[in-house]
Amino acid sequence: NAGVTQTPKFQVLKTGQSMTLQCAQDMNHNSMYWYRQDPGMGLRLIYYSASEGTTDKGEVPNGYNVSRLNKREFSLRLESAAPSQTSVYFCASSSGASSYNSPLHFGNGTRLTVT
Amino acid sequence: QKEVEQDPGPLSVPEGAIVSLNCTYSNSAFQYFMWYRQYSRKGPELLMYTYSSGNKEDGRFTAQVDKSSKYISLFIRDSQPSDSATYLCAMSASEYKLSFGAGTTVTVRA
Repeated sequence: NAGVTQTPKFQVLKTGQSMTLQCAQDMNHNSMYWYRQDPGMGLRLIYYSASEGTTDKGEVPNGYNVSRLNKREFSLRLESAAPSQTSVYFCASSSGASSYNSPLHFGNGTRLTVT
Repeated sequence: QKEVEQDPGPLSVPEGAIVSLNCTYSNSAFQYFMWYRQYSRKGPELLMYTYSSGNKEDGRFTAQVDKSSKYISLFIRDSQPSDSATYLCAMSASEYKLSFGAGTTVTVRA
């Protein structure tokens, strides 16, 4: 049972390069999320998709774009990477609106370094 | 000021000790309170949740919420080396948007 799968696991980019982080879930969840995790800052929501066909900004959306390709897949794109985007990126999914009765299921993260 | 402040740690305790983890928050609209556990190089996983003031027990874990003081705690009794992880508090005031604490890293020494 794979759950939430993220690719790649590690990536090093130069400033100005672009890349897409991929995420897929096999739990038939409606909602998907992208978070970044930085030391001392906790997890911060970048974008989320409440259901297939919808996306909304979270707390820190600047510099990112997302695509909800279908119910299973939700990708995060960095168009022009900056050192400030060095972070660990987590994709998550939930059956409904994230809350205590619809917990987030996380992937194992993508560790991104921008030099 | 962050909405959620979590004791930064790290904590190192001997096996069998009681671990106490704490978060404070400023947003009185928070209704649901959760604790996630994150092992090294892994994604967080939900450990416990509460939605009212008071205590909730699940095995060796107790979650405590004091809404009047805007304070939540997680206690781990009879701690084991397998409890070594980072613990994140999380709170929800609106759908889809959780506010997370920065996490406290706990090491339980055998």
